Amino acid sequence: AQKVTQAQTEISVVEKEDVTLDCVYETRDTTYYLFWYKQPPSGELVFLIRRNSFDEQNEISGRYSWNFQKSTSSFNFTITASQVVDSAVYFCALGGGGSNYKLTFGKGTLLTVNP
Amino acid sequence: DVKVTQSSRYLVKRTGEKVFLECVQDMDHENMFWYRQDPGLGLRLIYFSYDVKMKEKGDIPEGYSVSREKKERFSLILESASTNQTSMYLCASSWPGGAGEETQYFGPGTRLLVL
Repeated sequence: AQKVTQAQTEISVVEKEDVTLDCVYETRDTTYYLFWYKQPPSGELVFLIRRNSFDEQNEISGRYSWNFQKSTSSFNFTITASQVVDSAVYFCALGGGGSNYKLTFGKGTLLTVNP
Repeated sequence: DVKVTQSSRYLVKRTGEKVFLECVQDMDHENMFWYRQDPGLGLRLIYFSYDVKMKEKGDIPEGYSVSREKKERFSLILESASTNQTSMYLCASSWPGGAGEETQYFGPGTRLLVL
């Protein structure tokens, strides 16, 4: 069975601090896909990134960066110089191989960025 | 840009009522999904559809049914609403890749309150 663990339920930082959101996954598939979504207070899940299991390159997009490490089954997300608009719930999700369409979501991390 | 819309942002219904939640996507996606989101439980898949008139049960299908008569529209039906179905309902769509590889794009969500 697949599993995604986001151990940090809530994180609170002050604006301009860097913050890392942890994601640890479990799967028996050799091919799988990892995602991060952002859910602001409005409720809509916004897609941030998709990574397949064969691509371990780290990715940077503006203030966002992702660190994928197969050796530790982790796909962590870092926000540099956080801003109040980054306040949201962030979800990590795992999609598996085979004919399974399903995404397995972590329970999310609530990030609050205070001015 | 992918656009997924849901018929209502907020809905209040009475116990025993039949409730229809509608979802429409404009990207010609084959796959469509219904999730519910509850505090502490994260996102749970109710049903998904990989083609018109095709559906498969997710993790928590009890008390729900779905309908997909047209490719762009996926309806979630609560035959007889109960208070434990008070929740946030999220619709998503994706391209036809299996294996959870394709990015799911989400609608804004419907907050349903059953009294």
